[in-house]
Amino acid sequence: KNEVEQSPQNLTAQEGEFITINCSYSVGISALHWLQQHPGGGIVSLFMLSSGKKKHGRLIATINIQEKHSSLHITASHPRDSAVYICALYTGTASKLTFGTGTRLQVTL
Amino acid sequence: ETGVTQSPTHLIKTRGQQVTLRCSSQSGHNTVSWYQQALGQGPQFIFQYYREEENGRGNFPPRFSGLQFPNYSSELNVNALELDDSALYLCASSSWGRLRTEAFFGQGTRLTVV
Repeated sequence: KNEVEQSPQNLTAQEGEFITINCSYSVGISALHWLQQHPGGGIVSLFMLSSGKKKHGRLIATINIQEKHSSLHITASHPRDSAVYICALYTGTASKLTFGTGTRLQVTL
Repeated sequence: ETGVTQSPTHLIKTRGQQVTLRCSSQSGHNTVSWYQQALGQGPQFIFQYYREEENGRGNFPPRFSGLQFPNYSSELNVNALELDDSALYLCASSSWGRLRTEAFFGQGTRLTVV
C-alpha cells in the first residue's frame, strides 16, 4: 500500500463546478504540499500546510492531521485549471517529499 | 513564477554517455532536491543537497551523483546512461533550518536516452 493515496485518479468537470481532490496518507507528516503539474512538466507549488486551512484565490486546502487526510478544493473551476494535482508529504524529520499518484483534472466548457 | 531554473530544458543522449543537469536555487534557499519522473508516474526522490553536502538519498545507483555549489545551485550527473533513465528530472529548492519553507520547483529537464 502506498504511503500516499489520492482520489479520484481522473476527474472531468464542467466549467464553474466545485471540485474536491482528496489525499490520504498512512505515515506521520510534518507538512503537506499541494502541487500542480501542467502537461509541459513543470510543477507549481499551490500550498504547503501542516494544520488547518489555507486559501488562495479560488483554491482552498485543508488538512486533518488526526485523520491523516487533506483536501484540495477548486471553486468556480475553469478550463485553465486542467492539470495534474499532486499531494506530497514531508514525513517526520525527513527532508524529501513523498508524492501521491496524482489526480488528472480536465475542466471543459 | 519561481526563481528556480533548470538547464537544459530538453536533452537527447546515447546509451552509455554521461549527462550533467543544472539547477539554480531560489534566492535565500539552502537546499536542493532532485527527483526523477518517468512518463505517467509520480516523481521519485533521487537525493538532496543541504549546504553543499548530500543530505539524503533515494533508491538510485551510484552512477547518479550530484554537487551543490557555494551559491546553493546544484548539478545532477548521470554516468553510463541507460534507456530507463529517460525521464523528466525535476529539482526543488527550499530552505531548511529552524523554519522549513515551501519547495519551489524548476520547469524540469526532459532527458531522452536512445
